[in-house]
Amino acid sequence: EPEVTQTPSHQVTQMGQEVILRCVPISNHLYFYWYRQILGQKVEFLVSFYNNEISEKSEIFDDQFSVERPDGSNFTLKIRSTKLEDSAMYFCASRGTGNRQPQHFGDGTRLSIL
Amino acid sequence: GEDVEQSLFLSVREGDSSVINCTYTDSSSTYLYWYKQEPGAGLQLLTYIFSNMDMKQDQRLTVLLNKKDKHLSLRIADTQTGDSAIYFCAESHAGGSNDYKLSFGAGTTVTVRA
Repeated sequence: EPEVTQTPSHQVTQMGQEVILRCVPISNHLYFYWYRQILGQKVEFLVSFYNNEISEKSEIFDDQFSVERPDGSNFTLKIRSTKLEDSAMYFCASRGTGNRQPQHFGDGTRLSIL
Repeated sequence: GEDVEQSLFLSVREGDSSVINCTYTDSSSTYLYWYKQEPGAGLQLLTYIFSNMDMKQDQRLTVLLNKKDKHLSLRIADTQTGDSAIYFCAESHAGGSNDYKLSFGAGTTVTVRA
């Protein structure tokens, strides 16, 4: 069964550094998402992306965050200057066309900021 | 508002039925979802229900929806040790570009004992 894949599974970075989290959505999907889960908290929506542009973003998704679909298969989340509070599990999701299509999630990248 | 509430823990004997409950707030949610997260893994879509349905059955899983009370439940029949996981309830919120985002509950940790 096709699945969303995320790399790396764990990323350790010094505060202030830039990180790029990578995702390969399911191949025929056109809607892409990033969510995050801080330890002990709920999974939170960050951003949705369709037709090469952001469709919606949350308050969390400030100027330090950006997303990109650099080619036909990858979908990336960049955090420009990481803060301690960016430490979390980051989940990528994708779905097919049509409102009834559910979002399918990857296994996540655990980001640890030191 | 976007607030999904679940009980945090459920312990069940192997072979018994598990019932996980969830309340949500957005009466305009078109779909409601159940995701499962096993240790170290991502969010696996279990099932989802359209808001104009009362019940959906899929093998050992039964979803019940009470739209008036904004109450959703997931019943797992004949619970097995492999069902031990965290179960997340999620509601959908319409967004731009004919898209939607998910709001998650905190997750119910189900422990299956022999």
